[in-house]
Order: sequence, then structure tokens, then C-alpha cells
Amino acid sequence: DAKTTQPNSMESNEEEPVHLPCNHSTISGTDYIHWYRQLPSQGPEYVIHGLTSNVNNRMASLAIAEDRKSSTLILHRATLRDAAVYYCIRYSGAGSYQLTFGKGTKLSVIP
Amino acid sequence: DAGITQSPRHKVTETGTPVTLRCHQTENHRYMYWYRQDPGHGLRLIHYSYGVKDTDKGEVSDGYSVSRSKTEDFLLTLESATSSQTSVYFCAISESRTRSVEQYFGPGTRLTVT
Repeated sequence: DAKTTQPNSMESNEEEPVHLPCNHSTISGTDYIHWYRQLPSQGPEYVIHGLTSNVNNRMASLAIAEDRKSSTLILHRATLRDAAVYYCIRYSGAGSYQLTFGKGTKLSVIP
Repeated sequence: DAGITQSPRHKVTETGTPVTLRCHQTENHRYMYWYRQDPGHGLRLIHYSYGVKDTDKGEVSDGYSVSRSKTEDFLLTLESATSSQTSVYFCAISESRTRSVEQYFGPGTRLTVT
């Protein structure tokens, strides 16, 4: 899978919304955008995924640009438990169906 | 939370010693994966399985072998551990292999090879 580009780190105040950006300018028409997060000393945790339209679930919302070259993960009210590294993954599903994790964005939540 | 356990959770072993890590799932998912996570490299796929006795190599398979004799268990073996295999190992499962299906990860095994 080709790489995505995310900021190395972001900060948010507790109980405020957080917008985590991701660029995937060379995305193909059939690639899904997946988001995972990894809390300290834990395995990665699935957050959300989408193809073209915006998606919502109990954890977050995913806004995908109309040209699909970028997306934004939205945490509506950050909590201390949301402090983690967030990975944006362009998932082509080819070959081994490996999820290719980049360096992600380290989110810090300030009480 | 998906029912995935890994054992052991921590292990220290000596160079040249064989090591087996176990991943156990209670979700009856067909696909299982072994990843390793190292600073500066993110997660990299070692091997994966698409059914009982059906496995294939991933990105960094050298020095590792796997076996899957039951749907619920996926074993990762280091035949002769080396210091370069010091890492955190994660098992993952998925229901299918389509682009729209998520993977669920276990808690990880921290392996130190001295």
C-alpha cells in the first residue's frame, strides 16, 4: 500500500473536538481509508473506515474529501482515553491484505 | 472487544533458542496475521493464514515459520532466535480479506532476545 501523510503530533484539550488530517493524494478509486489507533502498550484498535462518503460510528466520524485525496478523522469530544497514536491507512486489499501502518499522529489530550 | 489472546505476553530468551508464540481467537474468523512492531518501522506483516493449514509469507518472513492446525490457533515460531527479532509481536484476525473489513489485534507479546 502506498503511504499516507499525517502530522507527527497534535494536542487537544479534554472535551473539545479533534480533527486529525490525512493526505492520500495518489489514492485509487477502489482503495478504502482505514483509521486505527494504538494506546500505549496496547495493540492497534480499529476506529473507522470509508470509501467515498462520510462515515459515523460510536467512536468517531470520518470525513472524506470529494476528490478522495484527503480525509479527516473527527473525535467529537476528546477524553484522556483518546490519547494515542492514530494511523491513517490506505487499504488497497491487494496481495497479502496487509495493513501498512505509517508513523501516525500522536494525539495528546490536555486535562 | 474481539476475543484474541496472545501467549506469552512477555518473554526473554537467549540467542539460538527456539521460541513459539501463540495466538488464540474465539471469533471463528478465517484470516489470521502476525505482525511485528519496531521503532521507526511501524507494524510489518510476518505471515498470515487464510484457513486451517493455509498460510503465506508477509513482508518480513525470514527466520519465522507459522502453523495453523485449528481455526482458533495461529502459532509463530522463531526456529533460532536472534537479537534482531527482539520486538513486540501482534496477532490480528479478520472475517474476510476485502478492502472494507477491519482487522482486530491482540494485546501483543514483548519478546527480548539476549
